[in-house]
Amino acid sequence: NAGVTQTPKFRVLKTGQSMTLLCAQDMNHEYMYWYRQDPGMGLRLIHYSVGEGTTAKGEVPDGYNVSRLKKQNFLLGLESAAPSQTSVYFCASSYYIIQGRFSYEQYFGPGTRLTVT
Amino acid sequence: AQSVAQPEDQVNVAEGNPLTVKCTYSVSGNPYLFWYVQYPNRGLQFLLKYITGDNLVKGSYGFEAEFNKSQTSFHLKKPSALVSDSALYFCAVRDVNRSGGSYIPTFGRGTSLIVHP
Repeated sequence: NAGVTQTPKFRVLKTGQSMTLLCAQDMNHEYMYWYRQDPGMGLRLIHYSVGEGTTAKGEVPDGYNVSRLKKQNFLLGLESAAPSQTSVYFCASSYYIIQGRFSYEQYFGPGTRLTVT
Repeated sequence: AQSVAQPEDQVNVAEGNPLTVKCTYSVSGNPYLFWYVQYPNRGLQFLLKYITGDNLVKGSYGFEAEFNKSQTSFHLKKPSALVSDSALYFCAVRDVNRSGGSYIPTFGRGTSLIVHP
């Protein structure tokens, strides 16, 4: 299993440009999440999904949109990038059944380092 | 509402000495508790979890954590620290009875563990 993968690993954008971050998981997890991590701020939840075709807002959703058209993929879009969106973005997945029991721990991708100039 | 606190931004310990990274939580019902570790320029990795049962939970890399319901704590411990344990550690909590099906955990802000040779 590759686990959780993120594309791209690094990106530099100019203010006003758009981009999409791709997250993929091959563990058949139901839930997927997008976080951003900034120095001194810990992890902050942007959006999440509890299943294919469903999404919901997290703590800091403004300026971002998401889509989950397939169970294994969760896309994060920035329509008009701003310098405040310079951050490291992490995708995670969770919630599966193993040996007949639910398991809730999250599995994280390696991160995307985004700089907006 | 659920919350988690990691009261120490940084913990310093000498190699070979025992280490403790503190975590306290607040939930309305019973908690699911998790510890994650983040090495530099990497995503978070699951270390261990408390769901139910024995209050002492053993996890990866020789780490363990003790669930204390009366003190609402879930401190991470290791009997003998290694330099390679130096990393950022996150505690997370999820209310067992959280309604709405969102199952979204709340993370602490992280504690930087530095193990000196």
